[in-house]
Amino acid sequence: DAGITQSPRHKVTETGTPVTLRCHQTENHRYMYWYRQDPGHGLRLIHYSYGVKDTDKGEVSDGYSVSRSKTEDFLLTLESATSSQTSVYFCAIKPGQGAETQYFGPGTRLLVL
Amino acid sequence: AQSVTQLGSHVSVSEGALVLLRCNYSSSVPPYLFWYVQYPNQGLQLLLKYTSAATLVKGINGFEAEFKKSETSFHLTKPSAHMSDAAEYFCAVTGGSQGNLIFGKGTKLSVKP
Repeated sequence: DAGITQSPRHKVTETGTPVTLRCHQTENHRYMYWYRQDPGHGLRLIHYSYGVKDTDKGEVSDGYSVSRSKTEDFLLTLESATSSQTSVYFCAIKPGQGAETQYFGPGTRLLVL
Repeated sequence: AQSVTQLGSHVSVSEGALVLLRCNYSSSVPPYLFWYVQYPNQGLQLLLKYTSAATLVKGINGFEAEFKKSETSFHLTKPSAHMSDAAEYFCAVTGGSQGNLIFGKGTKLSVKP
């Protein structure tokens, strides 16, 4: 158990509304990632963070923003949700720069109507 | 750029039969390779990883994988399938420019009684 929680676990929202997903870790790891999982696509990187206030874009970052004001929390915001952002969102942590294994949270299932 | 190809989006085996899930990668440098398993409505759990030590890697739940550089493959096997092995399996490789993992599209394993 890597001590990762995600909230909410399920959310239904309407097109055009802002949505924030939270990833919380208990072990103060430096690297955190947000992925989205869609059928036929596997997992794709949205944004990542390599420290407090240090974030950068991934492969599918359009329409998403992130913030990391504390080591333990990494927030993903959909500024104005669209139906194409209906997905399952996973947070992952990596214990160190030399350690390649990533550990995943339980996921957030988001439905945008 | 690194990529991962998983052959077969669905694989069905009988209980007690051999499980073989295929993964091929492309990488310009020696990679780290991973297999993750995802049970329904859960996050991803690490099955095993290759980090340039032994080419035959043993993981949890009786699974193993063999790294074959000449074939750029990292196939996952288990001698005898159990009903509890029914899940989706993802092969992943390190090498994203952001330290992220590059995932295959996943293979859903069904086990028939």
